[in-house]
Amino acid sequence: EAQVTQNPRYLITVTGKKLTVTCSQNMNHEYMSWYRQDPGLGLRQIYYSMNVEVTDKGDVPEGYKVSRKEKRNFPLILESPSPNQTSLYFCASRISAYGANVLTFGAGSRLTVL
Amino acid sequence: QQPVQSPQAVILREGEDAVINCSSSKALYSVHWYRQKHGEAPVFLMILLKGGEQKGHDKISASFNEKKQQSSLYLTASQLSYSGTYFCGTSKGGSNYKLTFGKGTLLTVNP
Repeated sequence: EAQVTQNPRYLITVTGKKLTVTCSQNMNHEYMSWYRQDPGLGLRQIYYSMNVEVTDKGDVPEGYKVSRKEKRNFPLILESPSPNQTSLYFCASRISAYGANVLTFGAGSRLTVL
Repeated sequence: QQPVQSPQAVILREGEDAVINCSSSKALYSVHWYRQKHGEAPVFLMILLKGGEQKGHDKISASFNEKKQQSSLYLTASQLSYSGTYFCGTSKGGSNYKLTFGKGTLLTVNP
């Protein structure tokens, strides 16, 4: 089944404790992206990757890092999480960065930073 | 820069129609519409690439007015299953690699 898999789905952590949210897709998609969703603010793009080793900042990249060493994986790293990073995170992918392509979203990862 | 969606929320009775608008202060290359049901991930509805383009999916259709830099989503004879939050995503320039979503419109359809 074609899908985007995120882990963990739920996480409660404390300020400053580094964490990684993994994202993996099995559709051979070139393009992957991370969004965060907060009440009243909609979906905001954190980082995106147009292909392996090609990443760029979205609209709210502060406090996050990403890497794209393999086509299928695009982990989101919070080096020193803070409470304002408490949010619902979505990873998404699509076949290409160009053209009319559909984004497939993962199920979401709900992160709470105390 | 996030596109602006209106209204923020709308409540309908089954069978009624609704229009959700999405506008941008900058020239748009494309407009994407997604629907998110409570507790789930957003799911694709449609993409409009050209000014004046209209598309339809079942009883949901959309238009894209390039000159006005806006798109509208039309929900006709709404069903209970239409309930959810609708997001428009917009991209500028010649590609879609930076897709910016609006804050969403919460649509509630009651029996």
